Amino acid sequence: KAGVTQTPRYLIKTRGQQVTLSCSPISGHRSVSWYQQTPGQGLQFLFEYFSETQRNKGNFPGRFSGRQFSNSRSEMNVSTLELGDSALYLCASSPGDVYNEQFFGPGTRLTVL
Amino acid sequence: AQRVTQPEKLLSVFKGAPVELKCNYSYSGSPELFWYVQYSRQRLQLLLRHISRESIKGFTADLNKGETSFHLKKPFAQEEDSAMYYCALSGLSAAGNKLTFGGGTRVLVKP
Repeated sequence: KAGVTQTPRYLIKTRGQQVTLSCSPISGHRSVSWYQQTPGQGLQFLFEYFSETQRNKGNFPGRFSGRQFSNSRSEMNVSTLELGDSALYLCASSPGDVYNEQFFGPGTRLTVL
Repeated sequence: AQRVTQPEKLLSVFKGAPVELKCNYSYSGSPELFWYVQYSRQRLQLLLRHISRESIKGFTADLNKGETSFHLKKPFAQEEDSAMYYCALSGLSAAGNKLTFGGGTRVLVKP
């Protein structure tokens, strides 16, 4: 099976702009989770989508949002970018049952100038 | 609230020596614990999880609920074990897949 794919792999934006990141899960996986990774805060959970519904949410401001489509592909959006949003954004997919192993994508490196 | 602590940022050991990565957690319910590993230029991937009780690549981890710990051990480190290791927790009483990660420990195995 093909692994989790994320596009784009690298992105440079300026403060105030918005950005959309995309994630294609492993075929058959219904759960997609998003994580932010930074040197200072480490890996932090953003949200999880399952069957097009947000099932879990982390402690991030409302500028961070996401959605999932009927084919399980997911997008996350960050509006009004801030310098502190510069990070590696990881997507992970799993079959959907709780506590399953999560399979991670390569990440999207976002730099906000 | 869920919290995972990995007190060591860096562990440097010689090949053939034992290695132990510490992980302590805080969670009011019943936890499911994981170890994820990231080798150089590779994706984050699952190494092992408590519920399966498997030994992967010679690594084992025991859940100690009294000490709220899930330390990762390997009796004889190999150079290919050099990587970043993350301990992670998912609450058994929670819905969905939400992992809380520790800060990570970088392991360097010297020849």
